[in-house]
Parts: sequence; structure tokens; C-alpha cells
Amino acid sequence: QAQLVESGGGVVQPGGSLRLSCATSGFPFSLYGMYWVRQAPGKGLEWVAFIRYDSNRKNYADSVKGRFIVSRDNAKNTAYLQLNSLRGDDTAMYFCANGQGAASSLDDWGQGTLVIVSS
Amino acid sequence: DIQMTQSPSTLSASVGDRVTITCRASQNINSWLAWYQQKPGKAPKLLIHKASTLHSGVPSRFSGSGSGTDFTLTISSLQPDDFATYYCQQYNSHLITFGRGTRLEIK
Repeated sequence: QAQLVESGGGVVQPGGSLRLSCATSGFPFSLYGMYWVRQAPGKGLEWVAFIRYDSNRKNYADSVKGRFIVSRDNAKNTAYLQLNSLRGDDTAMYFCANGQGAASSLDDWGQGTLVIVSS
Repeated sequence: DIQMTQSPSTLSASVGDRVTITCRASQNINSWLAWYQQKPGKAPKLLIHKASTLHSGVPSRFSGSGSGTDFTLTISSLQPDDFATYYCQQYNSHLITFGRGTRLEIK
């Protein structure tokens, strides 16, 4: 079955950067869109970014546009989220998930990686 | 952006109860709606997509209905494993959005 494993989270100062990775297996990665969703402590789910199977379409939530960059490497079955100019309200658990289009349900999820933005 | 309004925000129920959670979209989303279950410290799990299609492996006590702007998730007979938080999500727009969640707790 599908497996998605995020990594790269940690504690970072405001204004800093992090790169999150989502390593996958068990499904045809090169045929799936990949999503990033975050959840602030005690809060609900917030969609962050999407990248199409061929990287030719990328969408971002307004809250991260211009600061976060989504990418993927189909040869490595891995998706990435580059987080720049981090702010306190970016503190959250970041999940990656797969889906079958630019707008789809999110079929499989990773366990998440925690990003804490604090001085 | 399409806003998703879930109700109630908290629901208290007992094992064996039939419960219904409602999700309303701020505009017509056809049947492009999914439901997820999330337990504390865990990732969400897909339950239902396209408003009423049960995801693989999900027990048949879960069902979804609705189209347009109004949707429901029903659990026909609550089991102990069902106490969790439930989220709806629209995917009519590429800017997908989630409801704020319904916490289902034991009465």
C-alpha cells in the first residue's frame, strides 16, 4: 500500500528557512499530484500547496504564496516543500498527501513533520 | 475561495448511536466533497470522496450524501473506534478548502 514519509521539520527562527521532504512508495508517484497540508497546534487543516504529476502546475495558498516553493523529483519518488521567510504563524505539523488531480480528494497521507518557528 | 461550514463543532454521542455531521459550501461544488477522520496525533484518513463514494477499506457504517452546497456524513451505529475529529473538504476549485472540523466525543 501507499507510504508517505515526511522529514525535514524542526525549530527555526523567524525569517529562516527549511526544506521538507516527502518520500513515497507503493503507488505510481509520477502519475499523482502531491499536496501539502498543515495543521497548527490544536487547529484544523489548511491546504498549503499542490504540484501536478509533471510539475507543470503549482498552486499555493495565499498565506504562503511568494514564500514557499513546492517541487518534486519523479526519479526519486519524492516531493519537497521549501519554506522561506518563516513566521510564527507557520508553526504547524506539515503533512504531504497524494491526489489524482489539481483538485481532488487526498487519498493517502504521511504522518507529518513538525515545524516550529520561534526565537 | 470557497468556504466550508461544518456543524456541529462538537458532538457528544454514545456507542451504537446514529450520528450526522453537516457541511455547507459557500457556493455550488457539485459532488466534489470528501470526508476525513483524524485521531489525536495522527494524520487524517480519507473516508468518502465524491460526496458519497466510500474509500477502500472504510466500514459500511459510514455514508455520505448531498450535492451542490449541502452535504452530510452519517455514521449508522457508532463504534468505539469512531470517536475522532471529522473534516469535510471541497475540491471543486483547485484552491481546496477544509471545514473547521467536528469533534465527536463520548457522551
